[in-house]
Amino acid sequence: AQTVTQSQPEMSVQEAETVTLSCTYDTSESDYYLFWYKQPPSRQMILVIRQEAYKQQNATENRFSVNFQKAAKSFSLKISDSQLGDAAMYFCAYRSADFGNEKLTFGTGTRLTIIP
Amino acid sequence: DTGVSQDPRHKITKRGQNVTFRCDPISEHNRLYWYRQTLGQGPEFLTYFQNEAQLEKSRLLSDRFSAERPKGSFSTLEIQRTEQGDSAMYLCASSTQGGSGNTIYFGEGSWLTVV
Repeated sequence: AQTVTQSQPEMSVQEAETVTLSCTYDTSESDYYLFWYKQPPSRQMILVIRQEAYKQQNATENRFSVNFQKAAKSFSLKISDSQLGDAAMYFCAYRSADFGNEKLTFGTGTRLTIIP
Repeated sequence: DTGVSQDPRHKITKRGQNVTFRCDPISEHNRLYWYRQTLGQGPEFLTYFQNEAQLEKSRLLSDRFSAERPKGSFSTLEIQRTEQGDSAMYLCASSTQGGSGNTIYFGEGSWLTVV
């Protein structure tokens, strides 16, 4: 079974600075997808960024980028130019690429606080 | 609003009562998922549907839990004889078919408190 570990329960960053959230995972599969989801307080979970394991290039979405290290099974999220609206719980998630294996396996989350 | 809709958003019930949650997915999405999230934890997979067929159920889904998607559109999740351990947020999500990398869109969740 796959597992996802987020070792930082809480992080804080000054507005406009850069912060990196850590995620490691364990799997015996070679093809899979990794995701970062953001869950603001009392709001729905939204996808921030995703990475296909077969792609060596790290995904980027505006101020969000990942550092995907397949051999190390590491998938960190970097948020540049942090904004107050980035404050939320961030969840790392894993999904197999096997057709029919639909479930997302989530980590326990990192609560990000933005300091004005 | 064309996102995933869940109802009710909050439910307080006495132990032993039955509760039902409804989920309306994004209209063109044929895959629908239920997750459970407790405080301080990430969501845990419960079950998923492709159209009206329930294709996978987690071991977390005990006999007291039942989910349906009768016409391949909305879904209901019923919990019978609720227990305090059932207190959690129940998340519904949906996606299109076409590969495991497709984006899964979540609703805002239904909070259940069992007293």
